[in-house]
Order: sequence, then C-alpha cells, then structure tokens
Amino acid sequence: DAKTTQPPSMDCAEGRAANLPCNHSTISGNEYVYWYRQIHSQGPQYIIHGLKNNETNEMASLIITEDRKSSTLILPHATLRDTAVYYCIAVYNQGGKLIFGQGTELSVKP
Amino acid sequence: DTAVSQTPKYLVTQMGNDKSIKCEQNLGHDTMYWYKQDSKKFLKIMFSYNNKELIINETVPNRFSPKSPDKAHLNLHINSLELGDSAVYFCASSLEGYTEAFFGQGTRLTVV
Repeated sequence: DAKTTQPPSMDCAEGRAANLPCNHSTISGNEYVYWYRQIHSQGPQYIIHGLKNNETNEMASLIITEDRKSSTLILPHATLRDTAVYYCIAVYNQGGKLIFGQGTELSVKP
Repeated sequence: DTAVSQTPKYLVTQMGNDKSIKCEQNLGHDTMYWYKQDSKKFLKIMFSYNNKELIINETVPNRFSPKSPDKAHLNLHINSLELGDSAVYFCASSLEGYTEAFFGQGTRLTVV
C-alpha cells in the first residue's frame, strides 16, 4: 500500500471551506484514495473514496490530481462538529487493509 | 440502533488477568476487524475475519485471540494482560471486497 503524507494540523474558520491535502506520490494504478475521520473519543468514520475521478457525496468532495500523486478533501462549509483527525489512506479496494497514518488534526474555529 | 457495538466501553483490570471484549454488527457484513489505538493515537489493524475465517493476523502477541462464533460477532480475548495492552480497541466491519468500514465506539482498556 502506498504511503501517504499529510500536514499534522490545520485550522479552518467555521462556515468556510476546509481543504485538506494529501500526498501519495507512490500510489499504484489500482490503489484507491480513502478518507476517514476520527472525532475525539469516537471510532473512525468513512468519508469518501476515489480512484482517479473527482468524487462528491453529502459529506465532502474529493479532488484527485491527474497524475494521482496527490488529492484534496474538501469540506465545503466546515462546522465545529467537523473538528477531528482526518486520515488519507491509499489502499486496494478489494478488501484492502486500512493502514492509518498520523492524519491531519483539523480544528474548526468560530 | 447501533451498527457496530462493542462491550464494554470501559475496562479497568489488573495485570495478569484475562479479559474479553465483545463486538456485534447488524449491518449484514461478512468481514470484521479489530484495531488497536495506543496512547500516541496510532491506529493499527490487529485481525480481520471473513465469514468466520481469519484473514489478517498482524504481529500480535499470542495472548490476543480473536473468536468469531458467527458472521455478526467478533470477540477479542486477551490473556495475561500487561501494562502495554492499555489502549482503545476498535471493532469494525465491512462487506467483503470493500474498504468502506464501519467502526464501533471503542473499548478503552486500562491495565493497572
């Protein structure tokens, strides 16, 4: 599984878009990019995943660069409840093993 | 109606004891996992079961033994507990072949 690199922490103002970057320069052609988050004291929560096309769901958007070496998770209107650690994981979709890195600690401030 | 539930939520026990953590999922998934999150917040996979069969067994001491009586349950039994076993243990489940996993709320184990 490809290694991913994320900034350790980020701040975002409430109501603004939160853009969380992830670098996965060694990703292989059939590895997906998954995003999870962990709100304090809770279990991780799946957010979104993609292979090469941009994806959007009710929680977030995922933008993957054309060369697939990096991606950005976008929370369009961050709320205080979005304060969490966000994990970017590159994994084979066929029952791939989730390997969590350090993630990005996002603090949404009023 | 909790999708993945673990019991107990908190567990404080003495070194040397044997304890179990139970996990149940009502999502109809056929793959279940145990993860450990240590004090530095690193989440690491320990075991994965698919249809009651052990699929992933990371480098975990033999004192840890998962047991899956059926597809909906995956319990974790720990023998001879040590101080270093103190952590939060998360159970998760997914459909076979999918990496979208649903996690339980965790069991905070403290060994004193």
